[in-house]
Amino acid sequence: GAVVSQHPSWVICKSGTSVKIECRSLDFQATTMFWYRQFPKQSLMLMATSNEGSKATYEQGVEKDKFLINHASLTLSTLTVTSAHPEDSSFYICSASGRESDFGNQPQHFGDGTRLSIL
Amino acid sequence: SQELEQSPQSLIVQEGKNLTINCTSSKTLYGLYWYKQKYGEGLIFLMMLQKGGEEKSHEKITAKLDEKKQQSSLHITASQPSHAGIYLCGAGYQGGSEKLVFGKGTKLTVNP
Repeated sequence: GAVVSQHPSWVICKSGTSVKIECRSLDFQATTMFWYRQFPKQSLMLMATSNEGSKATYEQGVEKDKFLINHASLTLSTLTVTSAHPEDSSFYICSASGRESDFGNQPQHFGDGTRLSIL
Repeated sequence: SQELEQSPQSLIVQEGKNLTINCTSSKTLYGLYWYKQKYGEGLIFLMMLQKGGEEKSHEKITAKLDEKKQQSSLHITASQPSHAGIYLCGAGYQGGSEKLVFGKGTKLTVNP
């Protein structure tokens, strides 16, 4: 159980293009989804947290107009990189967690990531 | 300053050897999560620790959380090449569907 699907896995596009990345929880309801960015040989950097039906909370230094996040349902969140430029090239990973249970927190389950290359 | 320190940064062991990876927080955490990542791929959830002194095992991997809830260790017994990858600890500090702070990871190489 607890499968998160992220699509696409790899994108190459021209500078100025907007790119949408989807993150789906396949077998559970994700009350919260997270979007991370990872640079080569670095750890994960949290970009934003999104809860179903509400606006995303962005981390300091992340441009919300640049990285649009929509969490329209309990199984789907999207990240749109608007007017992408070469400096936006990176590995983007989403994660999802379900409702807190009587046993405590639910761990985040991660998608396989999207490698974005902007030419 | 980095809230979560992970050590060592990299580790090369011979197949069959035991190894330990450490994760230290600068403040008391609510929950500690261990993940494994292969380069360029997503993270695989290994274990979650929430109670001081808690210990969990899965196959040949054991994770412990100290009583003060500031330090965790991940121990692999009789390592195999399939254990190779990057191990990341993630710390939550507020409970609920909380955001995590991740360590920089430990790259494990297991030589056959």
